[in-house]
Amino acid sequence: QQQVKQSPQSLIVQKGGISIINCAYENTAFDYFPWYQQFPGKGPALLIAIRPDVSEKKEGRFTISFNKSAKQFSLHIMDSQPGDSATYFCAASISFTYGGSQGNLIFGKGTKLSVKP
Amino acid sequence: EAQVTQNPRYLITVTGKKLTVTCSQNMNHEYMSWYRQDPGLGLRQIYYSMNVEVTDKGDVPEGYKVSRKEKRNFPLILESPSPNQTSLYFCASSLSAQGAYNQPQHFGDGTRLSIL
Repeated sequence: QQQVKQSPQSLIVQKGGISIINCAYENTAFDYFPWYQQFPGKGPALLIAIRPDVSEKKEGRFTISFNKSAKQFSLHIMDSQPGDSATYFCAASISFTYGGSQGNLIFGKGTKLSVKP
Repeated sequence: EAQVTQNPRYLITVTGKKLTVTCSQNMNHEYMSWYRQDPGLGLRQIYYSMNVEVTDKGDVPEGYKVSRKEKRNFPLILESPSPNQTSLYFCASSLSAQGAYNQPQHFGDGTRLSIL
């Protein structure tokens, strides 16, 4: 119930292509879904986040698509660049309003993205 | 510069020798947390703290202790380390546990522990 399942484990994309990473969850109490980006030797950093009252959120080349009925959400990276090569983690939590803490994130296992020039 | 600082960054030690990993943030954040990152398992929360003197277990707390005596510091203590605690550890902080939308967790750069 507390798991967030992420796929694929690794992804190779050509420069300019679209990278798509998928996540699925079971716990319907989750109401905050961030994506974190991690470069080697660094800690994860928040990339983009969404709440389930919207189906899509876009920030620059990064878009989260959210399907509440299917309990799935995905990250799309348009026009992928070599500088996007990193490990991406989806996560979920229950916000304080609903008895949880937004900080208590349940992470997916990560996707290592390589963008080839 | 706003940051979360962990020390040490790397440590090799032996089974049973008590160790402490320090974490300090300079952003006056209320919420702090420790995670461990293992290949194929992602990040798993060990302990978290909603504020000074308020701590609670995360998903994998066995073998670890924490304390929060000051707002800025949140040390992770391994009283009797074992090889299965060999991992990459991250400390994180955010403004509050309540979390405004898009309120990020700020992560340190990690501490790689090897326990022989």
